[in-house]
Amino acid sequence: EVQLVESGGGLVQPGGSLKLSCAASGFTFTTYWMSWVRQAPGKGLEWVAIIKQDGGEKYYVDSVKGRFTISRDNAKNSLYLQVNSLRAEDTAVYYCARGIGYCSGGNCYHYFDNWGQGTLVTVSS
Amino acid sequence: DIVMTQSPDSLAVSLGERATINCKSSQSVLHSSNNKNYFAWYQHKPGQPPKLLIYWASSRGSGVPDRFSGSGSGTDFTLTISSLQAEDVAVYYCQQYYSTPYTFGQGTKLEIK
Repeated sequence: EVQLVESGGGLVQPGGSLKLSCAASGFTFTTYWMSWVRQAPGKGLEWVAIIKQDGGEKYYVDSVKGRFTISRDNAKNSLYLQVNSLRAEDTAVYYCARGIGYCSGGNCYHYFDNWGQGTLVTVSS
Repeated sequence: DIVMTQSPDSLAVSLGERATINCKSSQSVLHSSNNKNYFAWYQHKPGQPPKLLIYWASSRGSGVPDRFSGSGSGTDFTLTISSLQAEDVAVYYCQQYYSTPYTFGQGTKLEIK
C-alpha cells in the first residue's frame, strides 16, 4: 500500500523558515516524480513544485521561486520542501503527492495518483 | 498560465440521481502529438487527502467506482456521477497537466439534497 506521511509543519513568523518532510513507503520511490501541492484555508488546490526521480530536474510555481526548494533523498525514501522567507499567503496545508508523467523538451506533464494527509504551515506573528 | 474554471461552485443532488460538474480550461489541453487530453479530476473529502478519480480526461483511477465517468476534449470537460451515493459528498477539483504550472479549478462542493 502506498503511504506518504508529511511532517515538519507548524507556526512560524513572517520571514521565517521551515523544512517539510514526506516519508514514502509501499512503492519504489526512485521510479517516481514527486511533488508538493498546497491548500490555503478555505481555498482550492495549488501546485507548488515537482522533482524528477534522480533530483536532476525541479520545477516551481512562480510565487515560490527563489524562496522554496524541493529536494529528495532516495536512500531514505524521503521528499523535502525547504520553505524560506515565508509570507502570510504561504499559510496552507502542504500535501506530498506522487506524480505520474514525464517531462520532455522543457515541458512537463504530471497528474497525481497518491497524496499524503498533509502538514499545516501557519505564517503569523 | 492555464486557468481552470469549474461550474457550478456548489451542487445539491438527491441520492440515486445524476450529478454533473463542468470544467473549462482557458486553452486547449489536447496534445496533438498523441491526441490525449492532459486533464484530471480529484475528489477531496474533509480531513482526507485528495483522491485521483479520472486522468486522461476519461480513464478511471485505481479503485474508483464505475459510477464516476469523465468526458470532454480540448477546453470543455465533464465529471458525471451516475447515481449519487452518500459517500460522494466532497469537493471535486479538475486539473490540467498540459503545462506547468499545473493548475486546478476552484472546486465544486457536492452535497445531498
